[in-house]
Amino acid sequence: DAGVTQSPTHLIKTRGQHVTLRCSPISGHKSVSWYQQVLGQGPQFIFQYYEKEERGRGNFPDRFSARQFPNYSSELNVNALLLGDSALYLCASRVGSFGANVLTFGAGSRLTVL
Amino acid sequence: GQNIDQPTEMTATEGAIVQINCTYQTSGFNGLFWYQQHAGEAPTFLSYNVLDGLEEKGRFSSFLSRSKGYSYLLLKELQMKDSASYLCAVLGAGSYQLTFGKGTKLSVIP
Repeated sequence: DAGVTQSPTHLIKTRGQHVTLRCSPISGHKSVSWYQQVLGQGPQFIFQYYEKEERGRGNFPDRFSARQFPNYSSELNVNALLLGDSALYLCASRVGSFGANVLTFGAGSRLTVL
Repeated sequence: GQNIDQPTEMTATEGAIVQINCTYQTSGFNGLFWYQQHAGEAPTFLSYNVLDGLEEKGRFSSFLSRSKGYSYLLLKELQMKDSASYLCAVLGAGSYQLTFGKGTKLSVIP
C-alpha cells in the first residue's frame, strides 16, 4: 500500500508569493494533519482535517489555510510568504480524528523562501 | 500550554545502550509518542505509552511516568543506522494534536 504522499518535494519561492502543497493520505485514513518543521526543531501543528471539516488549528497566522477534499486528500495554502516560512511541511494521516491512532507522516515538502 | 524537553544531542557507541529522556508539562494528557527521523526523511512511529510502565518492542523500549511527567526511550545493541533524531510528542487534551519536543540528535560511532 502507498504511504502518505506529498507534492512537490522541493520548491523555491520569493517573499510575497503564494504556495500550495498537496497531500494524499493512506487509503482508508480520513484524517489529515499538517505540521511545519523548521530546521533543528520538532514539527509544529498547523491544522487537522477530518471528513472535510477543520477539527483543529495551531498557532499560525491567517496566511495559512487548508482544505480537505471528498477523496480525503488535502491542500495547504500559504499566502504572502515570509522568509520565516522556509521549512519542511509535513502531512500526516490517521484513521480517525480522536484518540491514539498513530499518525503516519509523509516525506514532506521542503519550502525555501528567498 | 505545553512544554516538552529533551536533550539536544547525544553520542553513543555501536553495540551499546542509550537512554533518551523526555520531560513534559501539558494541559491534558492522552498519551506520549516517540518518533524516529532520519535527516531529510519523514518521522516514523516507534512507540506509544498512555499508562505508566515499560513497553518493549525489539531493541527499543519506552517508559512512562505520568505523575512525574517523564518518559524515556531505551535503545539497545545500537547500530549505525540508529543515528537519527528522536522526537518525543505528547497527545494533548482533545486528542487531535501532537505537541513535539525539539528532538534529540543521536550519533552512533564505531
